[in-house]
Amino acid sequence: EDQVTQSPEALRLQEGESSSLNCSYTVSGLRGLFWYRQDPGKGPEFLFTLYSAGEEKEKERLKATLTKKESFLHITAPKPEDSATYLCAVQGGGNKLTFGTGTQLKVEL
Amino acid sequence: NAGVTQTPKFRVLKTGQSMTLLCAQDMNHEYMYWYRQDPGMGLRLIHYSVGEGTTAKGEVPDGYNVSRLKKQNFLLGLESAAPSQTSVYFCASSYWRTGLSPGGYTFGSGTRLTVV
Repeated sequence: EDQVTQSPEALRLQEGESSSLNCSYTVSGLRGLFWYRQDPGKGPEFLFTLYSAGEEKEKERLKATLTKKESFLHITAPKPEDSATYLCAVQGGGNKLTFGTGTQLKVEL
Repeated sequence: NAGVTQTPKFRVLKTGQSMTLLCAQDMNHEYMYWYRQDPGMGLRLIHYSVGEGTTAKGEVPDGYNVSRLKKQNFLLGLESAAPSQTSVYFCASSYWRTGLSPGGYTFGSGTRLTVV
């Protein structure tokens, strides 16, 4: 059974204070690891897909990396508008995603 | 470009009542999914469909039924609502391709359901 564990559950940062979110996973035959952003009252919004260990992807202040056991979402010099819940999900042998419970990020001025 | 549209956005039901949630996508995606999201539980798959006329059970299917009569629509039904079905329901879609899907899922904005 595929499993995803995200840490920390909640993170409070000052504007400009860089940090990382962790996603640990176990999956039979990883086909993809996904990061989503979810704002309150809205559906998850796609950020990145990573396919193999060593892969990295960047978008503005966010960079996602992948190893064989975990993924990190690095946030560089965050701004208040980066406040959201960040979800990690893995896709195994089928076409179904298994989600973690998310990290709730709050960036303060 | 609407993407995935869910209706209704909010609903309050009494225990034992029935209702149908509608999901429509305009991206010609083969796959469609229904998830529920509860605090501390993350997104859990209820049912999914790999194409028109097909459906399959997910992780938490009990108490729900689904139908995919048209490729663009995926309906989630609650025959006899229970308070345990109070949740936020999300529909998602993805396209099929051999190998890897580069974009994952596209989600709707959700339906907040309360069963009293």
